[in-house]
Amino acid sequence: GAVVSQHPSWVICKSGTSVKIECRSLDFQATTMFWYRQFPKQSLMLMATSNEGSKATYEQGVEKDKFLINHASLTLSTLTVTSAHPEDSSFYICSARGDTDTQYFGPGTRLTVL
Amino acid sequence: EDQVTQSPEALRLQEGESSSLNCSYTVSGLRGLFWYRQDPGKGPEFLFTLYSAGEEKEKERLKATLTKKESFLHITAPKPEDSATYLCAVQARGSGGYQKVTFGTGTKLQVIP
Repeated sequence: GAVVSQHPSWVICKSGTSVKIECRSLDFQATTMFWYRQFPKQSLMLMATSNEGSKATYEQGVEKDKFLINHASLTLSTLTVTSAHPEDSSFYICSARGDTDTQYFGPGTRLTVL
Repeated sequence: EDQVTQSPEALRLQEGESSSLNCSYTVSGLRGLFWYRQDPGKGPEFLFTLYSAGEEKEKERLKATLTKKESFLHITAPKPEDSATYLCAVQARGSGGYQKVTFGTGTKLQVIP
């Protein structure tokens, strides 16, 4: 149980384009979903927290107009990186929690912006 | 501000050589402490949640323990497939809503055959 999927697992795009990443909880309803960014050899950096049907709460320093988050249902959240630039290249990981405090993570999406 | 410090940063063990990973934390009232395993290029995999001092949880060769200041992840007779980065995270008790989880930087474990 508690499986979270992410799609795509990797994406390469040109600078200036937008990229959408999907995060789904497959066998539970996720009241809250989280988006993290991870740089090589570093720990997870929380970008934003989203609750189903409401606006995401962004961490300090994260541009909400650049990283658009939508949590349209209890099983799906999307992160759209708008007008991506090479500095946005990173490993993006989502997580989801249901009715406990434990977060279950997706497999991650490797974004490379050329 | 909540803080999590993991040590050592890296650990190299021979297969079968038991050891422990440490997670020291500072939090204004602990709601929960979490252990995850992360393989390269993948998302963290949930291992344990501990809620109160004295609590212990086991899964195969792993055992997690908790005190008021730190948690240990004991690895008994490790195998090469236990090689991974182990992450510790804490969640503070708050007045309402979901409290943010703070992650440590992890211990990279390598088990050599």
